[in-house]
Amino acid sequence: AAGVIQSPRHLIKEKRETATLKCYPIPRHDTVYWYQQGPGQDPQFLISFYEKMQSDKGSIPDRFSAQQFSDYHSELNMSSLELGDSALYFCASSLRGDQDYGYTFGSGTRLTVV
Amino acid sequence: GQQLNQSPQSMFIQEGEDVSMNCTSSSIFNTWLWYKQEPGEGPVLLIALYKAGELTSNGRLTAQFGITRKDSFLNISASIPSDVGIYFCAGHHPPGTYKYIFGTGTRLKVLA
Repeated sequence: AAGVIQSPRHLIKEKRETATLKCYPIPRHDTVYWYQQGPGQDPQFLISFYEKMQSDKGSIPDRFSAQQFSDYHSELNMSSLELGDSALYFCASSLRGDQDYGYTFGSGTRLTVV
Repeated sequence: GQQLNQSPQSMFIQEGEDVSMNCTSSSIFNTWLWYKQEPGEGPVLLIALYKAGELTSNGRLTAQFGITRKDSFLNISASIPSDVGIYFCAGHHPPGTYKYIFGTGTRLKVLA
């Protein structure tokens, strides 16, 4: 069965650079969620989209933005990168109405800022 | 903000032993989920709970939705080396939203 696809798997950027992370949800899933997980930390909710509109917002810095496109894939854009942005970034997807059954997570993008 | 506290933080156990961990909150939750995360991978859903008092099993895993709706428990019986990982509880917060918050995690290591 198709899963949530994230790209790239690994990304190394320098401070003050920009990064774009991509997420392709499971086919038919209309909702995408982004989480950030620092080393040894639990996943922290950043932002979610339903039918291309932002639905919930968490602890997403102003330097980050995200959107969901007409094909339901989503991109997380990160600018003016800081060392503290180094983390695993997970995307998850679900079908609105089925979110009580939990999300399906992708394998994540490991971002290292040097 | 709301936090889900898990205990223990980490466990080292012998293969074949049973494991118990819990997750507590200061708020009421209507849904509890338990996820397992292996190194470098995304969390994978193990069990979902929807009713206070509910007891649900998935193979060697059993989870319970606490009566107060402020806690949940996960038990693993007869642990095996592949049970190694981080176990997270999760719940909708604030209630009625579509986003989940995650607990602080329990790191499990199984010694063969």
